[in-house]
Amino acid sequence: QSVLTQPPSVFAAPGQRVTLSCSGSGSNIGGSSVSWYQQVPGTAPKLLIYQNNKRPSGIPDRFSGSKSGMSATLGITGLQTGDEADYYCGTWDGSLRAVVFGGGTKLTVL
Amino acid sequence: QVQLQESGPGLVKPSETLSLTCGVSAHSITSGYCWGWIRQSPGKGLEWIGSVCHSGLIYYNPPLQSRLFISVDTSKSQVSLNLNSVTAADTAVYYCARTSEGSGSYTDYWGQGTLVTVSS
Repeated sequence: QSVLTQPPSVFAAPGQRVTLSCSGSGSNIGGSSVSWYQQVPGTAPKLLIYQNNKRPSGIPDRFSGSKSGMSATLGITGLQTGDEADYYCGTWDGSLRAVVFGGGTKLTVL
Repeated sequence: QVQLQESGPGLVKPSETLSLTCGVSAHSITSGYCWGWIRQSPGKGLEWIGSVCHSGLIYYNPPLQSRLFISVDTSKSQVSLNLNSVTAADTAVYYCARTSEGSGSYTDYWGQGTLVTVSS
């Protein structure tokens, strides 16, 4: 059981826009910034979004992040088949004094 | 570009100690970040293990804390993980990772990962 809650799967068509949700509590998302990671099966996760809405160098602006209260959202526009992957949210939990992740959302582009 | 490379045994017997090392290159390990480990059991999500930070603070995931030791050797630019009394539940891909410190924490560099299987 993950501390952060993400839907297990999301399906969308190429070219569409999709939003992936991540919900937590006051001790984690409510008090800390959120990061998002993309993991293609068999490879290491890659940082997509940090500090709620910032993109590392090299991440296209099709990817965006936002946070409101105890929830965060990853948005992806202009979906491509190459975006098929597992997406994880993560943050610091001040009560647990630990980094916590969501269970991940498997995005299928069909 | 920071590079992280894990190394260590791929098979560990139950009740023994899992030991991994991570070599850090193209970046000073003494700069202001945290260095640590994250694991992923087969078919499962990510689980943070712990980090050693430049500030001197050490953070361990509470469920693992009693079995865990993470250290940084600045002379060798290496991060080490020792997890004792392992069981099959510790079978996972172990990633070495660089993480920023504090409430704005994020992990920006990951090693390629190394699979460790706990089995007799």
